[in-house]
Amino acid sequence: SAVISQKPSRDICQRGTSLTIQCQVDSQVTMMFWYRQQPGQSLTLIATANQGSEATYESGFVIDKFPISRPNLTFSTLTVSNMSPEDSSIYLCSVDRFFGPGTRLTVL
Amino acid sequence: AQKITQTQPGMFVQEKEAVTLDCTYDTSDPSYGLFWYKQPSSGEMIFLIYQGSYDQQNATEGRYSLNFQKARKSANLVISASQLGDSAMYFCAMREDYGQNFVFGPGTRLSVLP
Repeated sequence: SAVISQKPSRDICQRGTSLTIQCQVDSQVTMMFWYRQQPGQSLTLIATANQGSEATYESGFVIDKFPISRPNLTFSTLTVSNMSPEDSSIYLCSVDRFFGPGTRLTVL
Repeated sequence: AQKITQTQPGMFVQEKEAVTLDCTYDTSDPSYGLFWYKQPSSGEMIFLIYQGSYDQQNATEGRYSLNFQKARKSANLVISASQLGDSAMYFCAMREDYGQNFVFGPGTRLSVLP
């Protein structure tokens, strides 16, 4: 099983700012996934991050709002840009069937 | 298109008793996997159990078992001997091809009563 860590675990941010979330995996993986879970909701895929190529975004998510980096096979970042209160969610990265502990974001 | 349905928004069970959480799915792909996750209040997603569409036997992992009825497209989670620590949200998820993303159901909140 993959061991996945995320930083930060939680943050409170002001409207209009950006936050970058880091995801580290203990083994090399081809595909990493970023999910969002809005309060009281299920998980929704934001994008798939492949090393060496542009991330693939799901409908409703755009690169300008959620830029993703994948510099190597064990690491990825997701940035939530120009945040609004509607971005308050748990953000989770995933590898295979395993998930990181999540980043709980609150935007004021 | 893939779809997961969990018809029980909330469930209660007495400690030490068994409980079944329902999950039905819809897919046109003959090869897929079904997964169950537990999400406590901390927010982490804990992988519980996996069932492949071609697996002949129902999956089991400790106190968790998956009642897989392929013809009915159902994949219910059975938790035996419930414990207070089992109180959490439970999500059923499906993935059609290895490496592809999950589709999640809306979840069931389980409360275990002492």
